[in-house]
Amino acid sequence: AQSVSQHNHHVILSEAASLELGCNYSYGGTVNLFWYVQYPGQHLQLLLKYFSGDPLVKGIKGFEAEFIKSKFSFNLRKPSVQWSDTAEYFCAVNARGADGLTFGKGTHLIIQP
Amino acid sequence: EAEVAQSPRYKITEKSQAVAFWCDPISGHATLYWYRQILGQGPELLVQFQDESVVDDSQLPKDRFSAERLKGVDSTLKIQPAELGDSAMYLCASSGRTNTGELFFGEGSRLTVL
Repeated sequence: AQSVSQHNHHVILSEAASLELGCNYSYGGTVNLFWYVQYPGQHLQLLLKYFSGDPLVKGIKGFEAEFIKSKFSFNLRKPSVQWSDTAEYFCAVNARGADGLTFGKGTHLIIQP
Repeated sequence: EAEVAQSPRYKITEKSQAVAFWCDPISGHATLYWYRQILGQGPELLVQFQDESVVDDSQLPKDRFSAERLKGVDSTLKIQPAELGDSAMYLCASSGRTNTGELFFGEGSRLTVL
């Protein structure tokens, strides 16, 4: 079975700072990788996804993530965060060919104005 | 934009009472999931349906939880009796037949057990 580890449970940044949230997964086979975001009071939304091809994927709102197969990592980045990026961020993995997602515990990001 | 509908949004109940949550997935989505999200943690799969059949309920506490999707469309998750530790957000998600792992989530039902 697959598992996902997110390194930081809470991150506090100032506006315009750069962001990197770590995500590592454990699974021996091929995976699809996702980052979901949950803004306060809202439902989980897809931020970006990786299936195959270019390991650097771009998502909504200026976010990007890089898949490094050798490190089993899929870190999320944004060069300059905004106050509106305050949210909970979840990394998730899908074993290729199977249904469903396994989620990490999430990172609570707070952006201070 | 099509959405996954869930109700109720909030439910407060006393220990030992019965509760039920309802979910209507995006039209045409064959696969439906119920996840539980405890505060401060990521969602954990409770049960997965493919059409009307249960595919995975290995993490569903079957002594008190039940789930059904009788006609392969909407679904109900029931807890009886509720315990204090059941306080959580119950999320419903659906996916199409592409089997990529991408899920579409509803807004969730927040349960508080007193």
